[in-house]
Amino acid sequence: RKEVEQDPGPFNVPEGATVAFNCTYSNSASQSFFWYRQDCRKEPKLLMSVYSSGNEDGRFTAQLNRASQYISLLIRDSKLSDSATYLCVVSHFGNEKLTFGTGTRLTIIP
Amino acid sequence: GAGVSQTPSNKVTEKGKYVELRCDPISGHTALYWYRQSLGQGPEFLIYFQGTGAADDSGLPNDRFFAVRPEGSVSTLKIQRTERGDSAVYLCASSPLPGLHTGELFFGEGSRLTVL
Repeated sequence: RKEVEQDPGPFNVPEGATVAFNCTYSNSASQSFFWYRQDCRKEPKLLMSVYSSGNEDGRFTAQLNRASQYISLLIRDSKLSDSATYLCVVSHFGNEKLTFGTGTRLTIIP
Repeated sequence: GAGVSQTPSNKVTEKGKYVELRCDPISGHTALYWYRQSLGQGPEFLIYFQGTGAADDSGLPNDRFFAVRPEGSVSTLKIQRTERGDSAVYLCASSPLPGLHTGELFFGEGSRLTVL
């Protein structure tokens, strides 16, 4: 079983809609959680961190459920520019590496 | 530019050949990472440097892979006796702090390796 699992999609969503992705992680020692965004044939870039209390950044909301070991990303009022692959990422205390999921591919349709 | 620079951007080689991939991190970043990404997959960790030393090389798939960072800045990933399965995008990333306090790695655009 992979340490970080995501539905690869693709998700094809009309512009203006709300879309949500989930990601599950297998290691209960995971301490920090992030969402990265990767455009086609580009490098990954940090989108946002995921805090235990949940956090929001404009149209993006990230939440963590430690009991069920999953994190989520919600995108409201989706824009064409939101089309990308969204990578779920975890790290463990004392371990200086990030573990990436396979990514969920999102396409916003005009 | 001030970002992470990787060369070459594309490398095509034949099975069995030796390749070197270079990474020039953001100036002042002490932490440097190598990942590789195959089509349809997320980045897979290879090795992490803190300064000149490889602090974690647990992701290197076998002894054909080796990386160095002799002066604590530029790093080179070396692959011996390349195999077709080594074909992937090799991503380098750097971080300003030891420890993933913010979770932000700054990635280069990658070196796309194709082994024929």
